[in-house]
Amino acid sequence: DAEITQSPRHKITETGRQVTLACHQTWNHNNMFWYRQDLGHGLRLIHYSYGVHDTNKGEVSDGYSVSRSNTEDLPLTLESAASSQTSVYFCASGGGLNTEAFFGQGTRLTVV
Amino acid sequence: GIQVEQSPPDLILQEGANSTLRCNFSDSVNNLQWFHQNPWGQLINLFYIPSGTKQNGRLSATTVATERYSLLYISSSQTTDSGVYFCAGTNSGTYKYIFGTGTRLKVLA
Repeated sequence: DAEITQSPRHKITETGRQVTLACHQTWNHNNMFWYRQDLGHGLRLIHYSYGVHDTNKGEVSDGYSVSRSNTEDLPLTLESAASSQTSVYFCASGGGLNTEAFFGQGTRLTVV
Repeated sequence: GIQVEQSPPDLILQEGANSTLRCNFSDSVNNLQWFHQNPWGQLINLFYIPSGTKQNGRLSATTVATERYSLLYISSSQTTDSGVYFCAGTNSGTYKYIFGTGTRLKVLA
């Protein structure tokens, strides 16, 4: 069965460190997304990609970057982790024309 | 971008009760989905429903695209229905899902 997986599921890191969260999908979807979920804010879009070598900023992109070198993966990098980036991060794929989106299990990131 | 409003924000039900959750969009949407976030944090797909009505067991959903709203019906609620229900849609010309702030449902045994 096709799936979308995130790793790690939990991570604790120190302020100022670079962190990369992995997202891998086997749906062969062109569209991939990264969201963060915080109390009181729901899910907010960080970055998204409509295909290989395409990346776009979402509404809360400061301090984050993504790259898309193949269809299956969209890693999210925190260049210099800050306490404000403590959150639960969700990756999604799909959501194209007449196509539903599917979400990974989430990564809980704590920046200390 | 589009705004998504969900109501009610919180809901407490006795097991066996029925409920209706609503999602309003400020503009027309192309893709519309309902999700259930369970107590473990997983986002589970419930319905992909840009228009019309769908049913899956005790759950059903209706989207009236011309009036920019969608409804999620839960019948004979069970404690396992507890969690947060989100609707999300994409605006014309993009595939970015914009989420509502959710309805937090608690079903009491």
